[in-house]
Amino acid sequence: GENVEQHPSTLSVQEGDSAVIKCTYSDSASNYFPWYKQELGKRPQLIIDIRSNVGEKKDQRIAVTLNKTAKHFSLHITETQPEDSAVYFCAASIRDQAGTALIFGKGTTLSVSS
Amino acid sequence: DAGVTQSPTHLIKTRGQQVTLRCSPISGHKSVSWYQQVLGQGPQFIFQYYEKEERGRGNFPDRFSARQFPNYSSELNVNALLLGDSALYLCASSPLAGGAYGYTFGSGTRLTVV
Repeated sequence: GENVEQHPSTLSVQEGDSAVIKCTYSDSASNYFPWYKQELGKRPQLIIDIRSNVGEKKDQRIAVTLNKTAKHFSLHITETQPEDSAVYFCAASIRDQAGTALIFGKGTTLSVSS
Repeated sequence: DAGVTQSPTHLIKTRGQQVTLRCSPISGHKSVSWYQQVLGQGPQFIFQYYEKEERGRGNFPDRFSARQFPNYSSELNVNALLLGDSALYLCASSPLAGGAYGYTFGSGTRLTVV
């Protein structure tokens, strides 16, 4: 079945450094790739997303790149801050019946130390 | 504007019992999706509903069922609970029929089966 693999599972950086999280997906029909941030005990929150007709998207310190040929996409966080510490999930869309759902990666725990 | 509201927030049930979880989407959102998030994993798709019709179903047993009401709120029912059903159950609403685009997640219901 369809799956999304996410690496690394844990990532520790110093404040001000950049962080990169990578994901690969299996379903070539996937056309929507969101990233979620989940703080401990809280709900996942959408931080950025990209559609398959775009190769890169940026929002302040966060950027996502997509390589459809290779079926991989990445999250880039620059100038990391302690409040960026959380679990990050990538996801890819799949078609199911008449709707669309998301398959999530297993998550990356990002720790930013000051 | 109220976000996605879920109730109850926490629940403890015994093996073999039945449980009903509730979700109210953001006002104006007609699509509701349910996800199961086991500790340490990414959310896993259970159901999507749009305009009271099931639009998608994930790889879950028939013990899981759901429905959507005319006001677009939704219920997730789980029968014959197993220990493995212990998880955070997330509801996501979207303004689009496709469902997965621009999800807003609720804070979830933490179900513990003992």
